[in-house]
Amino acid sequence: QQPVQSPQAVILREGEDAVINCSSSKALYSVHWYRQKHGEAPVFLMILLKGGEQKGHDKISASFNEKKQQSSLYLTASQLSYSGTYFCGTENTGNQFYFGTGTSLTVIP
Amino acid sequence: DAGVIQSPRHEVTEMGQEVTLRCKPISGHNSLFWYRQTMMRGLELLIYFNNNVPIDDSGMPEDRFSAKMPNASFSTLKIQPSEPRDSAVYFCASSLEGYYGELFFGEGSRLTVL
Repeated sequence: QQPVQSPQAVILREGEDAVINCSSSKALYSVHWYRQKHGEAPVFLMILLKGGEQKGHDKISASFNEKKQQSSLYLTASQLSYSGTYFCGTENTGNQFYFGTGTSLTVIP
Repeated sequence: DAGVIQSPRHEVTEMGQEVTLRCKPISGHNSLFWYRQTMMRGLELLIYFNNNVPIDDSGMPEDRFSAKMPNASFSTLKIQPSEPRDSAVYFCASSLEGYYGELFFGEGSRLTVL
């Protein structure tokens, strides 16, 4: 029931864009996105509720396709500070919440 | 405002010893979560309290693990007896209301069982 993320790892140069995908086998009520820097705690980025709305702040945005039970996180014009591991968290309609497998993102100069 | 406070930050112990991890959630938050993070298994929910009552403890590995929340400002996770496979980072997180909003994580307790 753990959502699957892809890719597992990605390396970008500053200024490049990236997309991280999160896919669940269960019908979803909401999707959360978190970023965790090495040796630190996960930090909340955004939550998307059932309804397919797209959210974003700064150059990081996300979409939620409830029919496909998928969410995507979009990072545009990446900065060095974007490096870390990104986790999606999915709440299914059975009120169960699971974090995804994680995507390691490294931005290099 | 203070965030979620966990102690100890690091614990090294020997197999068979009792380990107690502590957590103080953000004031006003009514939900508290204990997570375990390892390279192999990622972030796993151990137990979730709402208004000090355990709602979901299906992630607690076995009888060696127990968690309590005696009041709204304090929770403990106890492992007795500890085993090397319990080595992990244990995070406590709190939220205003379950998974409906942001989870605020503490800095974690890194446990090493020799």
